[in-house]
Amino acid sequence: DQQVKQNSPSLSVQEGRISILNCDYTNSMFDYFLWYKKYPAEGPTFLISISSIKDKNEDGRFTVFLNKSAKHLSLHIVPSQPGDSAVYFCARGGADGLTFGKGTHLIIQP
Amino acid sequence: DGGITQSPKYLFRKEGQNVTLSCEQNLNHDAMYWYRQDPGQGLRLIYYSQIVNDFQKGDIAEGYSVSREKKESFPLTVTSAQKNPTAFYLCASSPRTVGYEAFFGQGTRLTVV
Repeated sequence: DQQVKQNSPSLSVQEGRISILNCDYTNSMFDYFLWYKKYPAEGPTFLISISSIKDKNEDGRFTVFLNKSAKHLSLHIVPSQPGDSAVYFCARGGADGLTFGKGTHLIIQP
Repeated sequence: DGGITQSPKYLFRKEGQNVTLSCEQNLNHDAMYWYRQDPGQGLRLIYYSQIVNDFQKGDIAEGYSVSREKKESFPLTVTSAQKNPTAFYLCASSPRTVGYEAFFGQGTRLTVV
């Protein structure tokens, strides 16, 4: 039973444009969501989080939106840069740690 | 320098042997976790510990064992009962389990031949 779903295995975006990564979740009781970025053969690094009492959180080029009625969150990266090419994981936070989606490979084209 | 350290980076073992992966943190975090990453599978939780001398099974605990004798250390043993041990293993820690991001180590690539 996949609690957190990332339905796009990969996404290609032109440098300078907006990247939008999507994530759906199944349990409306989840109250904390996070986005991580991962390069090959390295550990994930934390990007941004959002709690269910908010519908938006912004940090520099990164913004996360939470739509509770649709059980959907998205990560917007504006503008996209070459260094943003990586795998992005969304996760829900809970008492048993983080549950991750399968990830979306973002490729930034020059 | 505060952080979380996994060693070694690469590990090779023969089939049927137990192997222990090290994870140490000096962040004074209470919670520690072990995840496994396989291609196309994301990160799956093996075990987690919220406090010293206590740990809980995650989604894929079969064939693994852990201990938490010290706050700083959370070693993972991959036993011969684990059917597909070859994977990338990630250790993480967080101040608490809820409402905080987890910080990850650099991972250990285990290859069983």
